[in-house]
Amino acid sequence: DQQVKQNSPSLSVQEGRISILNCDYTNSMFDYFLWYKKYPAEGPTFLISISSIKDKNEDGRFTVFLNKSAKHLSLHIVPSQPGDSAVYFCAASVGQGKLIFGQGTELSVKP
Amino acid sequence: SQTIHQWPATLVQPVGSPLSLECTVEGTSNPNLYWYRQAAGRGLQLLFYSVGIGQISSEVPQNLSASRPQDRQFILSSKKLLLSDSGFYLCAWSVLDNWEQFFGPGTRLTVL
Repeated sequence: DQQVKQNSPSLSVQEGRISILNCDYTNSMFDYFLWYKKYPAEGPTFLISISSIKDKNEDGRFTVFLNKSAKHLSLHIVPSQPGDSAVYFCAASVGQGKLIFGQGTELSVKP
Repeated sequence: SQTIHQWPATLVQPVGSPLSLECTVEGTSNPNLYWYRQAAGRGLQLLFYSVGIGQISSEVPQNLSASRPQDRQFILSSKKLLLSDSGFYLCAWSVLDNWEQFFGPGTRLTVL
């Protein structure tokens, strides 16, 4: 059973426009959510996070929104840049330091 | 500063051969350690995690095993590899009560 789902395997956006990556989850007990960015043949790197008691967290061009009633979170990148092209994973904390990851969405930002 | 090392970077092994992947962390003490696998077209699957020396929790039943002989060393092993063991293996660490995990560069394993 996939507790964290990223239903869009890929997304293509024009440079300068907004990228919106989506993530759905099923477990209402998750207390923390994170987004990771991954380039090919490299380990993922932490991007931004949000606590379950908040609905928005912003860091520069990156904003994460959390809708607990819909069990949905999204990552907005504005403006998108070619260097943002990568695979983005959302993850949820289940306690004991463990994270459950989604399948990932491959973002392609075209110049 | 903290760093995490994994080796080898790539590995090609025949079916039925043994496996040993090593991960070491520098610059922190008593980290939580994790092994993940990313199969082709799939997300990151947690395989094992460890909160201390000799303490290993398995998340998915399989022919892989993990060991933590030292505080900052985590080893992933198999006695006999299967074709389905192919994938990208990632080691990660975190500190207690911190959700953020830091990943190593990964090992690309191909089983033929």
